[in-house]
Amino acid sequence: SAVISQKPSRDICQRGTSLTIQCQVDSQVTMMFWYRQQPGQSLTLIATANQGSEATYESGFVIDKFPISRPNLTFSTLTVSNMSPEDSSIYLCSVAMAELFLNTEAFFGQGTRLTVV
Amino acid sequence: GENVEQHPSTLSVQEGDSAVIKCTYSDSASNYFPWYKQELGKGPQLIIDIRSNVGEKKDQRIAVTLNKTAKHFSLHITETQPEDSAVYFCAEGVKRGGSNYKLTFGKGTLLTVNP
Repeated sequence: SAVISQKPSRDICQRGTSLTIQCQVDSQVTMMFWYRQQPGQSLTLIATANQGSEATYESGFVIDKFPISRPNLTFSTLTVSNMSPEDSSIYLCSVAMAELFLNTEAFFGQGTRLTVV
Repeated sequence: GENVEQHPSTLSVQEGDSAVIKCTYSDSASNYFPWYKQELGKGPQLIIDIRSNVGEKKDQRIAVTLNKTAKHFSLHITETQPEDSAVYFCAEGVKRGGSNYKLTFGKGTLLTVNP
């Protein structure tokens, strides 16, 4: 299994500012994913960040709004830029070791609860 | 494209009873079906998963069944306990080429086990 540390765990931010969320894993992982979970809702994939390649964004999410870094196999950051109240949500980091659907599972961090005022 | 429907959205059972949550998916290329439990203020935790080469998998009180023809899979929890109370999410997984994978989640089921 993987132990994932997400920071910050929660934050209250002013609209128009940016917040960078960090995801640190205790072992090297191939794949890292960033999700958004609005209160009481399901998880929506924002982007996939594999080390050594550009992040792949899902429909409805763009790099200018959610820039991602993946400098090594244990760390990634997600920035929420130019925030508005609609960005208030829980942001979750998820990791998987290798061939996700063949022989391993995806682990989740505890999430970052963001409130934009 | 991927789409997962999950039912029911809420489920209340008495301690000791069984609970069943059902999901249907649309992408015939999906080959991985995990179930996650999310407690308040925590991240989702995998409780069981099934891959498309099997039809059923069991782990103590938890079982999952998969019907690929009908694109349907279900979570079964027997002898429920109050600590089983949480939100449960099903998901379908698809490989989109190279090392590009995607999990698409259902909307979740709030399970309440009454003592």
